[in-house]
Amino acid sequence: EVQLVESGGGLVQPGGSLRLSCAASGFAVSGTYMIWVRQAPGMGLEWVSVFYNEGDTYYADSVKGRFTISRDNSKNTLYLQMNSLRAEDTAMYYCAIDRYSGSLNYFDYWGQGTLVTVSS
Amino acid sequence: DIQMTQSPSTLSASVGDRVTITCRASQSISSWLAWYQQKPGKAPKLLIYKASTLETGVPSRFSGSGSGTEFTLTISSLQPDDFATYYCQQYDSYWTFGQGTKVEIK
Repeated sequence: EVQLVESGGGLVQPGGSLRLSCAASGFAVSGTYMIWVRQAPGMGLEWVSVFYNEGDTYYADSVKGRFTISRDNSKNTLYLQMNSLRAEDTAMYYCAIDRYSGSLNYFDYWGQGTLVTVSS
Repeated sequence: DIQMTQSPSTLSASVGDRVTITCRASQSISSWLAWYQQKPGKAPKLLIYKASTLETGVPSRFSGSGSGTEFTLTISSLQPDDFATYYCQQYDSYWTFGQGTKVEIK
């Protein structure tokens, strides 16, 4: 059974850092494109960062230069290192995958999310 | 960037009603559109992809249509479990979600 479990969220001051983790089971992260999507309180969904199999990474303009996505195949885990955090980064962060389309199109498996709050 | 606009933002309906949600893209996205259902405190759940293909396990009362820039999600007979927020998402160029449509009890 495919499972994604996020962790690492919490309360952080503006300018601070956090590292989110997305532990996967039921499939190998080494063979899967993965994405981080966030949702600010009461708001819609926004893609944040993507890790492709070939190691290609992409970032939304809103986080480029501040966030870094990475993967540890031995731990079957995806990460999101978030630096220089701002109040507008406050959101629930989800990791998700597109299990069957062969690319990263729509997302059929999601984690439960981890909440990041940036506030002084 | 491709913008996705949903209407209405909120929809009040009763059990048994036929419900239609519209999603418009700022440019043509062919049929590269998905629909999700999200309940409070939960992750989104995939309902439909490629504009009209029902995800496995999703009830047949859900259907999707459209291509190019205009798409619809229809619930043929609203059930108590369907009161939720619905999002469209394009995957023609990167990924963009609509702002959501909340379906609430009338």
